[in-house]
Amino acid sequence: EIVLTQSPGTLSLSPGERATLSCRASQSVSSSYLAWYQQKPGQAPRLLIYGASSRATGIPDRFSGSGSGTDFTLTISRLEPEDFAVYYCQQYGSSPPPYTFGQGTKLEIK
Amino acid sequence: QVQLQESGPGLVKPSETLSLTCAVSGYSISSGYYWGWIRQPPGKGLEWIGSIYHSGSTYYNPSLKSRVTISVDTSKNQFSLKLSSVTAADTAVYYCARDEYWFDPWGQGTLVTVSS
Repeated sequence: EIVLTQSPGTLSLSPGERATLSCRASQSVSSSYLAWYQQKPGQAPRLLIYGASSRATGIPDRFSGSGSGTDFTLTISRLEPEDFAVYYCQQYGSSPPPYTFGQGTKLEIK
Repeated sequence: QVQLQESGPGLVKPSETLSLTCAVSGYSISSGYYWGWIRQPPGKGLEWIGSIYHSGSTYYNPSLKSRVTISVDTSKNQFSLKLSSVTAADTAVYYCARDEYWFDPWGQGTLVTVSS
């Protein structure tokens, strides 16, 4: 099983600041199969990034993804009030189970 | 656009079988894609349960495989989840989603509580 470890667990920032969220895999992950989600309280997760760096439909360009191998990053260039939420990374791979999620990073208002 | 909606009992007794259905609109399941189930215990992270193709081909999380059955009904454009021998540890919000190596879109989720 590929374990995804997200850091930090909680990130406290102010609107307008830049957020950098990390996702580290226990084994190499194909960049094609690394995704990021945003989840707000009481809502389902929303796909932000797929293929490590491709924005999903309707996602603002302040969200960007990068990385390869075992280290991936989600960057939010300038935080808007609606960006404060929990973020999850997810991978698809050949090791069972094929899908695993990170434990999440909570982005909170400072 | 594609929309998914989960339905089923919100309360299940221990040792019984949890049954949920996901109705898909705006897209014909028969046209392709895998369709999956993911769950989230209260206050915790996300766990993939399993996925199914329109042909009926399935793959499951090994940690749940002995208790999970996912089926598809293309005539009703829906797919279903059955989880047997449930315990309190199966209490969670259950989501359905389209599976294309990532999950998008998602249903709104339905809370299932296991309690006597």
